[in-house]
Amino acid sequence: GQQLNQSPQSMFIQEGEDVSMNCTSSSIFNTWLWYKQDPGEGPVLLIALYKAGELTSNGRLTAQFGITRKDSFLNISASIPSDVGIYFCAGIEAGGTSYGKLTFGQGTILTVHP
Amino acid sequence: DADVTQTPRNRITKTGKRIMLECSQTKGHDRMYWYRQDPGLGLRLIYYSFDVKDINKGEISDGYSVSRQAQAKFSLSLESAIPNQTALYFCATSESATDTQYFGPGTRLTVL
Repeated sequence: GQQLNQSPQSMFIQEGEDVSMNCTSSSIFNTWLWYKQDPGEGPVLLIALYKAGELTSNGRLTAQFGITRKDSFLNISASIPSDVGIYFCAGIEAGGTSYGKLTFGQGTILTVHP
Repeated sequence: DADVTQTPRNRITKTGKRIMLECSQTKGHDRMYWYRQDPGLGLRLIYYSFDVKDINKGEISDGYSVSRQAQAKFSLSLESAIPNQTALYFCATSESATDTQYFGPGTRLTVL
């Protein structure tokens, strides 16, 4: 099935640094979502994007829906220790038989050193 | 109170046993989903349901079955558990308008 390529797979950064991660697909997507998962918990929605070119912020997080509709990125500014976790991109394909099914990236593991 | 709840949160069982994982939601969403998460593989869709009378297989449905007892309840069964079904299992819901999915806290299942 459709795969999303999410990179990087992991990041080790110092507190205060900015973080950037992205997802690409071979198909066109109608919706891009970014989730964060803390250990032992389910993914929590951070940002939802519904339109090509859309740029949306949620506090220190900013995400964009790529113009080609085949990519999206997430930026975290001025990272803090509680940003630690796994970040997943997810998308819903345009057309076909996707029926609202999400395809997930493999996740980016973020570690923030104080 | 959580909008999407899952029970149990942890379960250890033996090969060949029948296991049921339950999911309840108070969000009023019609669509519900079951996912499996394995390290390095992200989340993979097992089954999904767009309303009480609609059940569909996802990408990894073999060895699993589901029941949509009501709009708010969607259960996942492993008829005869095997060790490679050891994983984290997540339930999710969405409303049809946006398809944005909201996840439960997960069930950690270990099959010995």
